[in-house]
Amino acid sequence: EVQLVESGGGLVQPGGSLRLSCAASGFTFSSYSMNWVRQAPGKGLEWVSYISSSSSTIYYADSVKGRFTISRDNAKNSLYLQMNSLRAEDTAVYYCARAPITIYMDVWGKGTTVTVSS
Amino acid sequence: EIVLTQSPGTLSLSPGERATLSCRASQSVSSSYLAWYQQKPGQAPRLLIYGASSRATGIPDRFSGSGSGTDFTLTISRLEPEDFAVYYCQQYGSSFMYTFGQGTKLEIK
Repeated sequence: EVQLVESGGGLVQPGGSLRLSCAASGFTFSSYSMNWVRQAPGKGLEWVSYISSSSSTIYYADSVKGRFTISRDNAKNSLYLQMNSLRAEDTAVYYCARAPITIYMDVWGKGTTVTVSS
Repeated sequence: EIVLTQSPGTLSLSPGERATLSCRASQSVSSSYLAWYQQKPGQAPRLLIYGASSRATGIPDRFSGSGSGTDFTLTISRLEPEDFAVYYCQQYGSSFMYTFGQGTKLEIK
């Protein structure tokens, strides 16, 4: 079964850091580009970051550029999101999503919740 | 940045009825770059349509997508109880950015 499982969410103070992980199974992880997408409470979807299959191409939304870092370990079938200098507006459910071709996302994890609050 | 505007914000229909959801782009979008997702409460989004009109794997044929340029439509031909959810359109832009519409909530009348 194709599956993505996020972890690493939690409560963090403003200015703090958190590292999210996404474990992939059931498909050849190293062949796929991946994304992080977030959803603030009661709001819509917001794309956060993209990484190509070989990590050679990386992009960020302007809202997180310079604060978040996406990475992957194909040997461990894992995707990561290092989040620094967190703000209240980063509070959201964070989803990892597979991109079979760059333009859409066909498999999503269940998400992990990040709450930034003092 | 291309902005996607979905309408209506909320659509109230009964099972068995036909649903028509609209997604309008602020600039022309390649049909290849337009997708639709369904999201139920507490669940992750689910890909329904990609390339404006191609159904994703396992999606029932009562779901169809159409449109080009700046106007795209998701149609559900005959609503089933499990179809009541929030629907998002999404486009991939030339400046490498994914943007989503604000969503249409399809609720039971």
